[in-house]
Amino acid sequence: QKEVEQNSGPLSVPEGAIASLNCTYSDRGSQSFFWYRQYSGKSPELIMSIYSNGDKEDGRFTAQLNKASQYVSLLIRDSQPSDSATYLCAVLGSKSTFGDGTTLTVKP
Amino acid sequence: DTGVSQDPRHKITKRGQNVTFRCDPISEHNRLYWYRQTLGQGPEFLTYFQNEAQLEKSRLLSDRFSAERPKGSFSTLEIQRTEQGDSAMYLCASSGGVAAKNIQYFGAGTRLSVL
Repeated sequence: QKEVEQNSGPLSVPEGAIASLNCTYSDRGSQSFFWYRQYSGKSPELIMSIYSNGDKEDGRFTAQLNKASQYVSLLIRDSQPSDSATYLCAVLGSKSTFGDGTTLTVKP
Repeated sequence: DTGVSQDPRHKITKRGQNVTFRCDPISEHNRLYWYRQTLGQGPEFLTYFQNEAQLEKSRLLSDRFSAERPKGSFSTLEIQRTEQGDSAMYLCASSGGVAAKNIQYFGAGTRLSVL
């Protein structure tokens, strides 16, 4: 079992829809959780960080964390074609672990 | 703040040769990370420095890999006797500052092709 697991996808949504990306992690002591976006051939760029249970909103993005269930999610509202990318879930701190990503395609 | 810089961007080498990559972190960041990423996979942790001290090294890292961070500034990653399986994107990230809260910022990466 991988330490950070994501839905392998690919995920396809129409423009304007909500995209939902999910992630589970195995280390109950983890404290810091991140979503990175990676375009093909590029390096990861930070979208969201979340440290406490609950929701955190930033523009069209909402991250959700449930430490009891060891679950992190990312919602993208009003999805745009420019959101088409691979989304990486990461648990960073004393250990740094990334999931293998979920590839999202937003169709115009 | 010019971001994390990596050099070279691309490296093509023949099997058996040694290669060295350089990473310059964001200037005020004291933590530096190296990752390897292959197609369809997430970044795989290789090693981590806090200032000049190498605090963690992946068990997956063979003895052919070595990293240094002299004086806690830039870092180098060397791969000796390269193998075709070493072909990957090598990513460097840095983190630091009081409000950093473990956020890592990535450089553009070095793409290695071993022929």
